[in-house]
Amino acid sequence: DADVTQTPRNRITKTGKRIMLECSQTKGHDRMYWYRQDPGLGLRLIYYSFDVKDINKGEISDGYSVSRQAQAKFSLSLESAIPNQTALYFCATSKQGVPTQHFGDGTRLSIL
Amino acid sequence: AQSVTQPDIHITVSEGASLELRCNYSYGATPYLFWYVQSPGQGLQLLLKYFSGDTLVQGIKGFEAEFKRSQSSFNLRKPSVHWSDAAEYFCAVGLDQTGANNLFFGTGTRLTVIP
Repeated sequence: DADVTQTPRNRITKTGKRIMLECSQTKGHDRMYWYRQDPGLGLRLIYYSFDVKDINKGEISDGYSVSRQAQAKFSLSLESAIPNQTALYFCATSKQGVPTQHFGDGTRLSIL
Repeated sequence: AQSVTQPDIHITVSEGASLELRCNYSYGATPYLFWYVQSPGQGLQLLLKYFSGDTLVQGIKGFEAEFKRSQSSFNLRKPSVHWSDAAEYFCAVGLDQTGANNLFFGTGTRLTVIP
């Protein structure tokens, strides 16, 4: 079983819809992250969370919100999806004091 | 502002040939350095990392990387490429100024391996 699980793996939806991407982890890490990947741009940080009560904006948080429901669960929401949010989204985890991040397999999101 | 540069967008090598992927960073102190690989349809897998100590680090799948402080570089190398190495490779830098463990990624280098 994967240590960092993202659901769904693929999603196609329409402009204006609310979308939630979910991430769960069994690594016992306290820190979780959401990134988006666009061709030619690498990965860019959307939000990160140090623990359940600590949520921080990343480089590109506009249009997104997150919820840390438990240490093991971190969800990303698009309140009103727009086509330029079409991308590959990754969740990652890390342990406090250890810079290495561990990634899920990604969610490919297409907004028509 | 900190930045990570991977100057080669796409590299093509023949199977069995050697490989070097370049990575340069811009930061005042020595950062934490990483190379990740992304195979099609997969997430990012850690190849190797440098935190301190010996500047030549060994990773998985026969990869190695060398940290050169004077050049602000962390280039990835493999002496003999296999067809299964075809993937996208990302260099990443961790600064940990605030203890955030945040990583900054380069734009990636796509590797094609020809028979």
